[in-house]
Amino acid sequence: DTGVSQDPRHKITKRGQNVTFRCDPISEHNRLYWYRQTLGQGPEFLTYFQNEAQLEKSRLLSDRFSAERPKGSFSTLEIQRTEQGDSAMYLCASSPGQGSYGYTFGSGTRLTVV
Amino acid sequence: GDSVTQMEGPVTLSEEAFLTINCTYTATGYPSLFWYVQYPGEGLQLLLKATKADDKGSNKGFEATYRKETTSFHLEKGSVQVSDSAVYFCALGGSGNTGKLIFGQGTTLQVKP
Repeated sequence: DTGVSQDPRHKITKRGQNVTFRCDPISEHNRLYWYRQTLGQGPEFLTYFQNEAQLEKSRLLSDRFSAERPKGSFSTLEIQRTEQGDSAMYLCASSPGQGSYGYTFGSGTRLTVV
Repeated sequence: GDSVTQMEGPVTLSEEAFLTINCTYTATGYPSLFWYVQYPGEGLQLLLKATKADDKGSNKGFEATYRKETTSFHLEKGSVQVSDSAVYFCALGGSGNTGKLIFGQGTTLQVKP
């Protein structure tokens, strides 16, 4: 297993465009998390899935954000009508579901909105 | 709500110096506490954890003790190396069974030879 993979590593987009990121978790992990990290700050929780069910969404996740995890495997995070304030590192993590333990983070997708 | 506060960086030390990075938290109940490390260009990696009061987490020469009375989880290392240069994040396990983590803002450590 190669760990948690995120694609792309970097994305530059123009304001108003839509972007989609992909996360491939560790195959045995049934929980998948998305976090956002802005410069100089720690990661902030966005949403998480237990298998294919999205169980919690942060207030940070506006209507322009949507996440899916079809079939409980990979996940996608889509941002519609991007704004400059969306520029951040988007981190994906997976865990076997034992509370906060056993997290494995991906290397992240860095989004720059120009 | 739950929160984590870390000492501001950057912290610059000479090799073999003693390291302390302060972390305090606010939480309901008794959360698990974690230190994560992020090396340049890499993902977050778990450094150590503690699950209950007075537990000491340790790994790679780093230690942190879960102090309920002072709501703290300070990270220490007796002798830092250049390879320890990274960003360190203190985190707590959120309430409930979601497994989400609440992070501090991170502290950058730079170790000079």
